[in-house]
Amino acid sequence: NAGVTQTPKFQVLKTGQSMTLQCAQDMNHEYMSWYRQDPGMGLRLIHYSVGAGITDQGEVPNGYNVSRSTTEDFPLRLLSAAPSQTSVYFCASSFGQGRSYEQYFGPGTRLTVT
Amino acid sequence: AQSVAQPEDQVNVAEGNPLTVKCTYSVSGNPYLFWYVQYPNRGLQFLLKYITGDNLVKGSYGFEAEFNKSQTSFHLKKPSALVSDSALYFCAVRDGMYSGSGGSNYKLTFGKGTLLTVNP
Repeated sequence: NAGVTQTPKFQVLKTGQSMTLQCAQDMNHEYMSWYRQDPGMGLRLIHYSVGAGITDQGEVPNGYNVSRSTTEDFPLRLLSAAPSQTSVYFCASSFGQGRSYEQYFGPGTRLTVT
Repeated sequence: AQSVAQPEDQVNVAEGNPLTVKCTYSVSGNPYLFWYVQYPNRGLQFLLKYITGDNLVKGSYGFEAEFNKSQTSFHLKKPSALVSDSALYFCAVRDGMYSGSGGSNYKLTFGKGTLLTVNP
């Protein structure tokens, strides 16, 4: 199993540009989520999904969109990038049937918005 | 609402000494508690979890954690630290109380992280 994969690893955007961060998992996990990691702030939940076709907002959803058309993929879209979105982004997945399950994380995407 | 506190931004220990990384939590129901480790420029890796049962939980790489319900704590410990243990450690909690339908039951709340440095 490849686990959770993310592309790209690094990205530089200009303010106002749009892009999609890709996330895929091959573990048949129902639950997937996106976090951003900023120094001194830990991980903050952006959006999450409990299955194909079902998404919901986390604590910092503004400026980001998600969709979940398949179990495997959960892309994160930045519609109009802002410098405040400079961060490291992590995708994670877990089994959705029980809340005791741990999350598996991807390697991250480091995004810089200038 | 659930929350996690890691009171120390940084912990320094000498190699061979025991280490402790502290974590306290707040939830409405019974807690599901997790520890993750992050090495530089990597994603988070799962170390161990407490769901129910024995208060002392053993995990990967010789780490263990002690659940203390009265103190609402879940401190991470290792009897003898290695230089290779130097990393960023995150505590996380999920509320065991069912809050109705939807994905809110699966949300994990993370602490801000503790940077562990083990000196040779």
